[in-house]
Amino acid sequence: DADVTQTPRNRITKTGKRIMLECSQTKGHDRMYWYRQDPGLGLRLIYYSFDVKDINKGEISDGYSVSRQAQAKFSLSLESAIPNQTALYFCATTAGTSAYNEQFFGPGTRLTVL
Amino acid sequence: AQSVTQLDSQVPVFEEAPVELRCNYSSSVSVYLFWYVQYPNQGLQLLLKYLSGSTLVKGINGFEAEFNKSQTSFHLRKPSVHISDTAEYFCAVRNSGYSTLTFGKGTMLLVSP
Repeated sequence: DADVTQTPRNRITKTGKRIMLECSQTKGHDRMYWYRQDPGLGLRLIYYSFDVKDINKGEISDGYSVSRQAQAKFSLSLESAIPNQTALYFCATTAGTSAYNEQFFGPGTRLTVL
Repeated sequence: AQSVTQLDSQVPVFEEAPVELRCNYSSSVSVYLFWYVQYPNQGLQLLLKYLSGSTLVKGINGFEAEFNKSQTSFHLRKPSVHISDTAEYFCAVRNSGYSTLTFGKGTMLLVSP
């Protein structure tokens, strides 16, 4: 079984709809991240969380919100989706503060906003 | 603030040829550098990382990278590529406080027979 799972894997929605992307991990890591990937732009950080009570904005948080329901679950919400939020979204996890700790990525959610 | 520049958006190469993917960084603090690979329809996975010590870092699948502080570079190399190396490659730098990564825009490696 995958260590970092994302649901749904694909989603098509309409402008103005609220949508939630979910991430779960079984690695026991305390830190979780949400990124979006756009062609030619690489990965950009949306939000990150160091534990259930610690949520931080990333580079491009406008139009997004997050919820850390438990150590293992980190959800990303688009309150009112717009077409330029069409992208590939990745969740990632890492353990602790050491620079030796790599980030482990989920398989991604492809979101299309019409 | 840290930043990463990947100069090539695409690198086409023939199978069994050598390849170099370029990465330059800008950082005002201690540098920790990473290369990730993304195969089609998959998430990212770590190829290799430089934290300290030897400037030549070996990773998985025969890849290696060399940290060059004077040129602020961390180029990725493989002496002989395979079709299965076709993927997108991302260079990343860890930001101060070790809390987040800044990624480059990616380089698509296209290996043809």
